[in-house]
Amino acid sequence: GESVGLHLPTLSVQEGDNSIINCAYSNSASDYFIWYKQESGKGPQFIIDIRSNMDKRQGQRVTVLLNKTVKHLSLQIAATQPGDSAVYFCAENTGGGSNYKLTFGKGTLLTVNP
Amino acid sequence: KAGVTQTPRYLIKTRGQQVTLSCSPISGHRSVSWYQQTPGQGLQFLFEYFSETQRNKGNFPGRFSGRQFSNSRSEMNVSTLELGDSALYLCASSWGGRTGELFFGEGSRLTVL
Repeated sequence: GESVGLHLPTLSVQEGDNSIINCAYSNSASDYFIWYKQESGKGPQFIIDIRSNMDKRQGQRVTVLLNKTVKHLSLQIAATQPGDSAVYFCAENTGGGSNYKLTFGKGTLLTVNP
Repeated sequence: KAGVTQTPRYLIKTRGQQVTLSCSPISGHRSVSWYQQTPGQGLQFLFEYFSETQRNKGNFPGRFSGRQFSNSRSEMNVSTLELGDSALYLCASSWGGRTGELFFGEGSRLTVL
């Protein structure tokens, strides 16, 4: 089965609030993780990535946290906007060696209420 | 620069038929990956091609195959279609390293009747 899973399939927040989307992974050898956003009718869009030698990385309004001890990944979105409404996927590179093979979680639907 | 282009965007086939999907990667990208997306299974890795060679393969039956041309364009083929093959097939391109962003296309929506 999938080695990456999401705790919450749906998340509803108010505009302006902060959102936190969680993800668990089971492959302790994974050394690279990505968060993608997918809007209806579109392909996944890159949000932010993190290597396993880091535990936090920040982007524009987004922060990814990695806890290797408990194999947990989270995406924090600050001041959530209606345009952030989408399905969010975490993914890990399970390719091994020099290969690149992303294993995706099931996704979390984020709904932002105005 | 132009993004990843997939054709056709939508298609309907019947069981037993075969289908070929095409993907044009971002100029300069040498790696093309294919994913199947369904409501029940989510995004599942099919295979990855780099410089015309299949570098990785997912857990799909042999009915699913692909290839990459010298210009990095890629095609995937599904033979003897089954109802369960109905899905969004996504192509993604990258420079070819083992990290870095995968740029996805909009996908080809396949419906098998």
